[in-house]
Amino acid sequence: AQSVTQLGSHVSVSEGALVLLRCNYSSSVPPYLFWYVQYPNQGLQLLLKYTSAATLVKGINGFEAEFKKSETSFHLTKPSAHMSDAAEYFCAAGKPQGGSEKLVFGKGTKLTVNP
Amino acid sequence: DGGITQSPKYLFRKEGQNVTLSCEQNLNHDAMYWYRQDPGQGLRLIYYSQIVNDFQKGDIAEGYSVSREKKESFPLTVTSAQKNPTAFYLCASRDRQETQYFGPGTRLLVL
Repeated sequence: AQSVTQLGSHVSVSEGALVLLRCNYSSSVPPYLFWYVQYPNQGLQLLLKYTSAATLVKGINGFEAEFKKSETSFHLTKPSAHMSDAAEYFCAAGKPQGGSEKLVFGKGTKLTVNP
Repeated sequence: DGGITQSPKYLFRKEGQNVTLSCEQNLNHDAMYWYRQDPGQGLRLIYYSQIVNDFQKGDIAEGYSVSREKKESFPLTVTSAQKNPTAFYLCASRDRQETQYFGPGTRLLVL
């Protein structure tokens, strides 16, 4: 069964520093991949998604993610952190070979941005 | 404004009581989902429905029930059989580009 691993349940960065949130998936066939952001007591908001069209995916709020098949990874980055980026981030994977009928979520990474 | 609404925002359940969480969408999506979120656990799928009058169990369906009588609505009932219902419940719908969109959530607390 598909699984998604997010390394680091908590990540802390300084304002203006690089943000790197790690995500690895388990299937040998690339699935659709998603990053979502959740602010306290709110629903999840889509940041970006990978559907095999391009390996570097640009999302909202300056975030991007690179799909690396050889590493089964889909890490999320942002060049310069802003205080408003403080939130919890979830990586999710759909079915191998595409589709998102059922998503499998990682356990989340809480990002803290220090002034 | 198109989107997903969930009500209520907070819900209190007494022991032995069934409670129903509402989820409505006006995005014209066929598929809808219910997830449960616990701290440090990520999201776990309770039930999903790909079309009206049809639904499937997810990974943690025990103690929950759903109906899908209308395309716009997918209510979730937390029954008295669910012994640990305290959690944040999220409803989602999926578009034809395979993207799931989420509602604002309902927090269920036990009195």
